[in-house]
Amino acid sequence: GQQLNQSPQSMFIQEGEDVSMNCTSSSIFNTWLWYKQEPGEGPVLLIALYKAGELTSNGRLTAQFGITRKDSFLNISASIPSDVGIYFCAGQLINDYKLSFGAGTTVTVRA
Amino acid sequence: AAGVIQSPRHLIKEKRETATLKCYPIPRHDTVYWYQQGPGQDPQFLISFYEKMQSDKGSIPDRFSAQQFSDYHSELNMSSLELGDSALYFCASSSLGGRGNEQFFGPGTRLTVL
Repeated sequence: GQQLNQSPQSMFIQEGEDVSMNCTSSSIFNTWLWYKQEPGEGPVLLIALYKAGELTSNGRLTAQFGITRKDSFLNISASIPSDVGIYFCAGQLINDYKLSFGAGTTVTVRA
Repeated sequence: AAGVIQSPRHLIKEKRETATLKCYPIPRHDTVYWYQQGPGQDPQFLISFYEKMQSDKGSIPDRFSAQQFSDYHSELNMSSLELGDSALYFCASSSLGGRGNEQFFGPGTRLTVL
């Protein structure tokens, strides 16, 4: 699959702090998706982005599709303990529906 | 809302045995994708089916085969299992007639090869 560079690899944050992570690629993507995965479970779709520059929110989550179509970021505001998990970015090339995933960002929230 | 169903959730096999994983997509979803996730890794695409026809193929070993049936459920058949096949196997479904880019994942099957 395509190489997606996701950073940071892990984050240790205090409850109430904001979290930011991003993904970059050398390829132009048609769609960016953000998933959250908890241990032993399947990835859960958080946000889907379809247009360059698009900014989309889902509760305390906000994600943007970069204008170059080669990057995306996800922000989590006012983190709570249930935000712990691994967050993956995933991209789809034009006319290609399979997902290429980033390596994931592990978020740990300290109460 | 109904989600993707996978069975079994856990499977333990010996080397060289065969395994069959099943996936039941979200109702009215016409496309199924299979992914493999090794420990501490991101999911890797294996194969996909649209309207019962193979639509794309990724890094799937020749020992593996899959199909999608008339009721849209899919099965991943794995033969001559190797230790390295131990992983989480996810099925995802989407509706290409709708927001086809959004893939919804099942809970996965954890395969352990001894």
